[in-house]
Amino acid sequence: QVQVVESGGGVVQPGRSLRLSCAASGFTFNRYGMHWVRQAPGKGLEWVAIIWYDGSNRYYADSVKGRFTISRDNSKNTVYLEMNSLRVEDTAVYYCARRSGHDSFDFWGQGTVVTVSS
Amino acid sequence: QTVVTQEPSFSVSPGGTVTLTCGLSSGSVSRSNYPSWYQQTPGQAPRTLIYSTDSRSSGVPDRFSGSFLGNKAALTITGAQAEDECDYYCALYMGNGALWVFGTGTKLTVL
Repeated sequence: QVQVVESGGGVVQPGRSLRLSCAASGFTFNRYGMHWVRQAPGKGLEWVAIIWYDGSNRYYADSVKGRFTISRDNSKNTVYLEMNSLRVEDTAVYYCARRSGHDSFDFWGQGTVVTVSS
Repeated sequence: QTVVTQEPSFSVSPGGTVTLTCGLSSGSVSRSNYPSWYQQTPGQAPRTLIYSTDSRSSGVPDRFSGSFLGNKAALTITGAQAEDECDYYCALYMGNGALWVFGTGTKLTVL
């Protein structure tokens, strides 16, 4: 069955960096785009970034543009989110989700928690 | 900046019918926005209910349906059950660089 599992979250000081990973299984990974979506404590969902199935295109929300980088390794069935210059407002649960063929998010991981605090 | 609006909260009686909506701060929602709907219980990951306006995701009960209501996307729950009490989010594909925007979310109470 389709599964995506996030890892790499933790507590980090403002201005520092963190890299999240999302390991996928149960489907042909190199045929699907992959998203990162986050949810701050007590808040709604916020789309963060997407990478095309082959890595040829990457797009970001304005709130993270220039600080976050999404990438993937199709040989490892893994997508990454490199987060630099972290801010307190980046504190959230970060979810990895598969891009469906209908421009929605069809399978979600359980999320990894990122806390930015001094 | 695009804002996708949803009712902050809604209440429905067990067995009743409720329609949640998803609109744009300026303009109308259309099929080219590929409206989708997600259900989220506290502490859990979102679950996909509806994609492309009105297609049900695998395993989703048929009491959940998607449609348009005027210039908004809509999620209707027919015969609400206690387990439907949770948060619901819509998402719209905005194009222009593959930007997706989630709605503000609706907290549904079943009582």
